Amino acid sequence: GAVVSQHPSRVICKSGTSVKIECRSLDFQATTMFWYRQFPKKSLMLMATSNEGSKATYEQGVEKDKFLINHASLTLSTLTVTSAHPEDSSFYICSARDPRVAKNIQYFGAGTRLSVL
Amino acid sequence: DQQVKQNSPSLSVQEGRISILNCDYTNSMFDYFLWYKKYPAEGPTFLISISSIKDKNEDGRFTVFLNKSAKHLSLHIVPSQPGDSAVYFCAASGGGATNKLIFGTGTLLAVQP
Repeated sequence: GAVVSQHPSRVICKSGTSVKIECRSLDFQATTMFWYRQFPKKSLMLMATSNEGSKATYEQGVEKDKFLINHASLTLSTLTVTSAHPEDSSFYICSARDPRVAKNIQYFGAGTRLSVL
Repeated sequence: DQQVKQNSPSLSVQEGRISILNCDYTNSMFDYFLWYKKYPAEGPTFLISISSIKDKNEDGRFTVFLNKSAKHLSLHIVPSQPGDSAVYFCAASGGGATNKLIFGTGTLLAVQP
């Protein structure tokens, strides 16, 4: 399957700082990428859909000013958690759909564990 | 409102036996269903999928069954192997331009040697 790389895998930051997470499609061009958040022992919750060259589409309840998404190229989407607080600590995962595959299959990065102190 | 549900949080199976993971959904507009496998601190890995026009799809040891009238799908793994131990998520898609996936809560499968 298609390869999606996510970086960093783990980040620890102080409260009030901003953290940027990168998501790259390595062997295909992704016009659409997705950002999820997973709480312990919970399901993956879609935060937003990242569209190349246009604004991201946020799910209900997700603060767009808090979670800034940029999809400046066909292989890179970034999620910036601004002014992070301890309640933002979570596992963030990105995914991308390979347009070469007709089926609606998303391929996931390895995830980023964010810990806000 | 949980549109995709996995009612069994965990399942334990002996190596070599069949593992059956279940998933129920409520939205009749869903037309594509997927199963993902996830290890701790890793992203989900795609396993197998099925379109709503089919009732069965098989890939090696993995078979997915879809019962549209019951809004139920299941993943069969046979024979089960210790390396299959992971959390399994089912996901559903309603088609359309967004291609969003709605995930279930996951089932932790433990395959005992």
